[in-house]
Amino acid sequence: AQRVTQPEKLLSVFKGAPVELKCNYSYSGSPELFWYVQYSRQRLQLLLRHISRESIKGFTADLNKGETSFHLKKPFAQEEDSAMYYCALRGETSGSRLTFGEGTQLTVNP
Amino acid sequence: DTEVTQTPKHLVMGMTNKKSLKCEQHMGHRAMYWYKQKAKKPPELMFVYSYEKLSINESVPSRFSPECPNSSLLNLHLHALQPEDSALYLCASSRGIRISTKGSYGYTFGSGTRLTVV
Repeated sequence: AQRVTQPEKLLSVFKGAPVELKCNYSYSGSPELFWYVQYSRQRLQLLLRHISRESIKGFTADLNKGETSFHLKKPFAQEEDSAMYYCALRGETSGSRLTFGEGTQLTVNP
Repeated sequence: DTEVTQTPKHLVMGMTNKKSLKCEQHMGHRAMYWYKQKAKKPPELMFVYSYEKLSINESVPSRFSPECPNSSLLNLHLHALQPEDSALYLCASSRGIRISTKGSYGYTFGSGTRLTVV
């Protein structure tokens, strides 16, 4: 079975502060990990894929297989980062089944 | 065209009505998906189509009937729904269902149809 856990439902930081959204996963093989973002009244958008090791909008995420984590980080949060963030996992043997965590609502205060 | 387009954006239907949700993409993606999302909850997978064939049905009640007429279109036919079926229905697409050595490319989601069953 594959499972994604985002321990924080709500996260509030001040503008300019660092932010880390936690994601832990459970999967016995080699998973693919993603971060999706959903801004208010907008569609779900792909933010990051672990395999591409890219930085989008200042966000980065590193897959730590030892800790089975894929935390999302940004050194200086901006107000426009306020959104719902979902961590998602796709297993190599699960076909196209994408499993989402429960999501973390990030609020960046001025 | 890099979008998944869903129509209608909003739909209100009675429990005896029959309606259809439509989804369209022109990115050449060969996998298409239906997800259901309740408020403040993550999307839940309902159906997966690969090369116009149904490959996953997540034990969805038969009052939801998917259809994939061609590689660009995906429909979800609704009949005799219940009020608890009210939700945001999301369509998504991806290049395929297999993960290559370069990994998959994530899914592209539509903006959804907000369905209310009265």
